Amino acid sequence: GNSVTQMEGPVTLSEEAFLTINCTYTATGYPSLFWYVQYPGEGLQLLLKATKADDKGSNKGFEATYRKETTSFHLEKGSVQVSDSAVYFCALSKLNTGFQKLVFGTGTRLLVSP
Amino acid sequence: DVKVTQSSRYLVKRTGEKVFLECVQDMDHENMFWYRQDPGLGLRLIYFSYDVKMKEKGDIPEGYSVSREKKERFSLILESASTNQTSMYLCASSYPQGPTEAFFGQGTRLTVV
Repeated sequence: GNSVTQMEGPVTLSEEAFLTINCTYTATGYPSLFWYVQYPGEGLQLLLKATKADDKGSNKGFEATYRKETTSFHLEKGSVQVSDSAVYFCALSKLNTGFQKLVFGTGTRLLVSP
Repeated sequence: DVKVTQSSRYLVKRTGEKVFLECVQDMDHENMFWYRQDPGLGLRLIYFSYDVKMKEKGDIPEGYSVSREKKERFSLILESASTNQTSMYLCASSYPQGPTEAFFGQGTRLTVV
């Protein structure tokens, strides 16, 4: 079946450090890929998405590229801020008997210190 | 602004109680979902609905049921709450055609004692 694997956390960084959070997926066909972010005490919100191979999603300085050859969608940011501290979820979406279903990874907690 | 609203942020219930978690969305979305979120397990789909009065089991439906009498409202029901249902519950909604993002509520942290 469809699944998403992402690196375990927490990831602890100093402000202005480079961030990579790895995400790989297993799916038949061509899923769409997403990164969601959950700030403390809140629900999830979409950070970025990519719908086909080689697409790059970007938002708020974060980027991720849909790599079909390696079935990956790694999240990167060149310079993290304290305000980026949150839990990040990689997800895929696939049409399943006519409607979309999201499958999530386990989440990676990012802690950024000043 | 799209809004998905869950009726409670925090709930404490006793074992064996019947528990209702309510979710309302204002975007006229066809799809609605209930997930539970547990540390190390991520989000797991309990039930979803793609139309009024329609429902489909997700990955972990045991011990839960749902109700969707109106398009904007999707309720999760714990028929007889147990301590292993202590968790964070997240409601979401989306349009049916993809690729489409899901919009989430703020979550209900349920503790069963």
